[in-house]
Amino acid sequence: DADVTQTPRNRITKTGKRIMLECSQTKGHDRMYWYRQDPGLGLRLIYYSFDVKDINKGEISDGYSVSRQAQAKFSLSLESAIPNQTALYFCATSKGLAGWNEQFFGPGTRLTVL
Amino acid sequence: AQSVTQPDIHITVSEGASLELRCNYSYGATPYLFWYVQSPGQGLQLLLKYFSGDTLVQGIKGFEAEFKRSQSSFNLRKPSVHWSDAAEYFCARAAAGNKLTFGGGTRVLVKP
Repeated sequence: DADVTQTPRNRITKTGKRIMLECSQTKGHDRMYWYRQDPGLGLRLIYYSFDVKDINKGEISDGYSVSRQAQAKFSLSLESAIPNQTALYFCATSKGLAGWNEQFFGPGTRLTVL
Repeated sequence: AQSVTQPDIHITVSEGASLELRCNYSYGATPYLFWYVQSPGQGLQLLLKYFSGDTLVQGIKGFEAEFKRSQSSFNLRKPSVHWSDAAEYFCARAAAGNKLTFGGGTRVLVKP
């Protein structure tokens, strides 16, 4: 069974629609992250959360919001989707220990905004 | 701002040949550096990491990488490529707060 799951895996929507991407993990990790991947740009951090009460903006948070419903769940919302938000979205998790902790990635959600 | 550059967008290599993927990072304190692999339809998997110490690090799947401070590089190598190595490879460095800054990726195509 996958440790980090994302739903849906694929989504096509229209400009102006509200979209929610969900991430769940069974690894017991405190920290969770949302990235988007665009060709040639690698992955860029949208939001991250160190625990349920600690949510922080990443480098490209405009147009996105997040909700950390529980330790195991971290959702990403696009309030009004636009075509340049078409991308592959990844959720990741890591432990919350001091120092560096490896990030574990979900399989990704491919979002297309028409 | 700290950055990571992967100069090669695509690389094509014959099966059995050697592979080297380039990665350069912007100047900063001793960086924590990583290589990830993304197979089609999959998430990212960590191949190897460098924190300190021996500048030649071994990873999974037969990969290794060498940290060269003088060249601000952390190139990934594999002596003999298998068809299953066809994937996209990302170099990354750690940023404050356990965050990652990624390069643009290099897509590897393996010819039979």
